[in-house]
Amino acid sequence: AQSVTQPDIHITVSEGASLELRCNYSYGATPYLFWYVQSPGQGLQLLLKYFSGDTLVQGIKGFEAEFKRSQSSFNLRKPSVHWSDAAEYFCAVGARDDKIIFGKGTRLHILP
Amino acid sequence: NAGVTQTPKFRILKIGQSMTLQCTQDMNHNYMYWYRQDPGMGLKLIYYSVGAGITDKGEVPNGYNVSRSTTEDFPLRLELAAPSQTSVYFCASSSVRNSPLHFGNGTRLTVT
Repeated sequence: AQSVTQPDIHITVSEGASLELRCNYSYGATPYLFWYVQSPGQGLQLLLKYFSGDTLVQGIKGFEAEFKRSQSSFNLRKPSVHWSDAAEYFCAVGARDDKIIFGKGTRLHILP
Repeated sequence: NAGVTQTPKFRILKIGQSMTLQCTQDMNHNYMYWYRQDPGMGLKLIYYSVGAGITDKGEVPNGYNVSRSTTEDFPLRLELAAPSQTSVYFCASSSVRNSPLHFGNGTRLTVT
């Protein structure tokens, strides 16, 4: 069965600084990978997805993620964060069994 | 276009009571999912369905039941509410396997 690990529960960065959120997955074949964002009191919104092909994928709001098979990782990056990026970020993995499994999330705090 | 609609938004139950969380989608999606979200635990998959008449267990199915009699509706039933079921419940749908999920706004359930 697939699983997802997000090692960082909280991350704090200064506004304008770069950001990298880590995601590691466990699955025997090529997974389907997603990043979602949840603003306080809101539902979840898709940032980007990886199914196949180019390992660097672009998403909304200036985010990108890179799939690295050798490291079983799908880290999320943004070159310059804005105060509005403060939210909780979830990595998720899908597989042939139709389940989509989420990590525990990383809460991003932005310093002014 | 309503998307995924969950009712109610909030509910307080006494221990041992039962209730049904409603979820309906108007996008003709075959895949539907129920997740629960607890602080620091991310989203846990309770049950999912790949089409009318087909349901399967997720990561944390105990204490819950589902049915899928139509493409549009995927209700989640709690038969004997317990304090451990206090959580925020999200319903989601997708068009095909491993495609991005469309989430409802959630139901906040408290069992006391």
